Amino acid sequence: DAGVIQSPRHEVTEMGQEVTLRCKPISGHDYLFWYRQTMMRGLELLIYFNNNVPIDDSGMPEDRFSAKMPNASFSTLKIQPSEPRDSAVYFCASSLYGTRRDNEQFFGPGTRLTVL
Amino acid sequence: GQQLNQSPQSMFIQEGEDVSMNCTSSSIFNTWLWYKQDPGEGPVLLIALYKAGELTSNGRLTAQFGITRKDSFLNISASIPSDVGIYFCAGRRGTSYGKLTFGQGTILTVHP
Repeated sequence: DAGVIQSPRHEVTEMGQEVTLRCKPISGHDYLFWYRQTMMRGLELLIYFNNNVPIDDSGMPEDRFSAKMPNASFSTLKIQPSEPRDSAVYFCASSLYGTRRDNEQFFGPGTRLTVL
Repeated sequence: GQQLNQSPQSMFIQEGEDVSMNCTSSSIFNTWLWYKQDPGEGPVLLIALYKAGELTSNGRLTAQFGITRKDSFLNISASIPSDVGIYFCAGRRGTSYGKLTFGQGTILTVHP
């Protein structure tokens, strides 16, 4: 079975440019999470969705960040305009509610973002 | 936000040695998870724990859910070079389905 798929794997952009990160969760999973990982702050939850609806976006750093989930198999995280401090690895994860193991989140390979 | 205190921050061991690491919190957690992250990859789930006192193994890995529900432990027996990576604990509090709190990670280096 395919795991969580993220694209691109690497993104290098210049300050002020718009960046869009993409995620395809595991088929059938109904929760989708976006995380950011940096050396200084570790793994931070940015936002998560249930059945395509945003549930908690309290981790989104500021208005420059937005996330959407137009359908069950696709989500985007957009940064506009990007800043050098946004440089990090961004992970998408998914899980399936309603089973004994419904807390188990499965992570994608991540997108390494560098903003120059 | 709520933090998990994971220790040690790093370990340098010889192949064949056993490894122990732990996570503690001032709050009660209902679920504890242990992940491993290889360089350039996302975290991979190793073990999940759902009941206080639960002891679960996955090959050479054994994890325990502390009876106070405020801590968890991971042990790796007879380490091998491929055990190298960053190990993260994660916990879920009762009222926060979906929201996992992660520890800072333990960097494990295994010398052949």
